[in-house]
Amino acid sequence: GQQLNQSPQSMFIQEGEDVSMNCTSSSIFNTWLWYKQDPGEGPVLLIALYKAGELTSNGRLTAQFGITRKDSFLNISASIPSDVGIYFCAGQFPNTGGFKTIFGAGTRLFVKA
Amino acid sequence: DSGVTQTPKHLITATGQRVTLRCSPRSGDLSVYWYQQSLDQGLQFLIQYYNGEERAKGNILERFSAQQFPDLHSELNLSSLELGDSALYFCASSLGTSGHGETQYFGPGTRLLVL
Repeated sequence: GQQLNQSPQSMFIQEGEDVSMNCTSSSIFNTWLWYKQDPGEGPVLLIALYKAGELTSNGRLTAQFGITRKDSFLNISASIPSDVGIYFCAGQFPNTGGFKTIFGAGTRLFVKA
Repeated sequence: DSGVTQTPKHLITATGQRVTLRCSPRSGDLSVYWYQQSLDQGLQFLIQYYNGEERAKGNILERFSAQQFPDLHSELNLSSLELGDSALYFCASSLGTSGHGETQYFGPGTRLLVL
């Protein structure tokens, strides 16, 4: 079945640095979603991508839907301490009348002030 | 605040017991999704309902069941609980009408601890 490989698993960076994480798959997806989860909280949607090649920004965050539809990346520029958390990618594909969503295992981001 | 509500926030129970988790979707959303997240793990999709009907099924155990009611709230029933069922259970909702993807909004989760 469809699987997502999200990397890196964790990142330890200095405040002000840029961050890049990505998700890849051998399968094609129709939609890519990026979420952030704080400890004990529900995931919060950061960016949604619906078309191959689409590049979308949300403040310091930029995400792209890979042209092959098999990958996506998320960049965070000029990181700040509140960027700490777990970032999940999610890919969606059609499945009997609806869409099935597969989540990556997450990238744990640690930011040192 | 995503607009998705879940109750209870915390639940502690014993092995063999049965519990019910409740979710109210965002106003206007017709689809509800349930996910399980074990400690330090990713989100595992369990099941999706759309306007009262089951739409997609993931890795949901036979001991687990769900339903969506006419007012669109949903309940996830977990029975014959085992220690390994301890996890965070999230509900998410979406409009359910998009032709090319469903942006899901997550609730705050229910933390289940089975002792």
